[in-house]
Amino acid sequence: SQKIEQNSEALNIQEGKTATLTCNYTNYSPAYLQWYRQDPGRGPVFLLLIRENEKEKRKERLKVTFDTTLKQSLFHITASQPADSATYLCALVGAGNNRKLIWGLGTSLAVNP
Amino acid sequence: NAGVTQTPKFQVLKTGQSMTLQCAQDMNHNSMYWYRQDPGMGLRLIYYSASEGTTDKGEVPNGYNVSRLNKREFSLRLESAAPSQTSVYFCASPHPGTGPFRETQYFGPGTRLLVL
Repeated sequence: SQKIEQNSEALNIQEGKTATLTCNYTNYSPAYLQWYRQDPGRGPVFLLLIRENEKEKRKERLKVTFDTTLKQSLFHITASQPADSATYLCALVGAGNNRKLIWGLGTSLAVNP
Repeated sequence: NAGVTQTPKFQVLKTGQSMTLQCAQDMNHNSMYWYRQDPGMGLRLIYYSASEGTTDKGEVPNGYNVSRLNKREFSLRLESAAPSQTSVYFCASPHPGTGPFRETQYFGPGTRLLVL
């Protein structure tokens, strides 16, 4: 069955360091991969989208990579700040008519001052 | 421009009671979705509406009904609430268009439901 795995353990890092979050998938051929941020008590907020034929996408301090051979996406936050503390979700979108969105469980990130 | 709004924010029900969760979007989007989010299960699609007047089942539709009242509003109804429906419910509206951002979701703030 289709499956997405994100780090289940919370990630704790020091302010200023780079946070790296992982999203692995199996039995799926996504056309796009999305990353969202979710703060406690709030709905997810879209951050970045990367296509299957793109290796890397950047937005300010955020960088996403997509390796369809490894079936993995890495999400990096450089120069992390305490305000980056949140849960980060990845979601896959199928190709062609299979537009079904599959969600990971999310990884909790805590940036310590 | 509030995006997606939901009411109520929090609700406690007894088993067997009914209630309707309300959702409205002011982005003039065609599609609207209802998700539930549970620890260890992630976001799961309950129902969606691709356009005004149409609704379709998602991954976990049992125990729920929906109404797409107009282009702005999409409600979720629990006819006879069960403890298994204790969850956080999110309404979302995907980005319109046909490009890669077509499935980018704009979420509401959520409704926290506790069924005793």
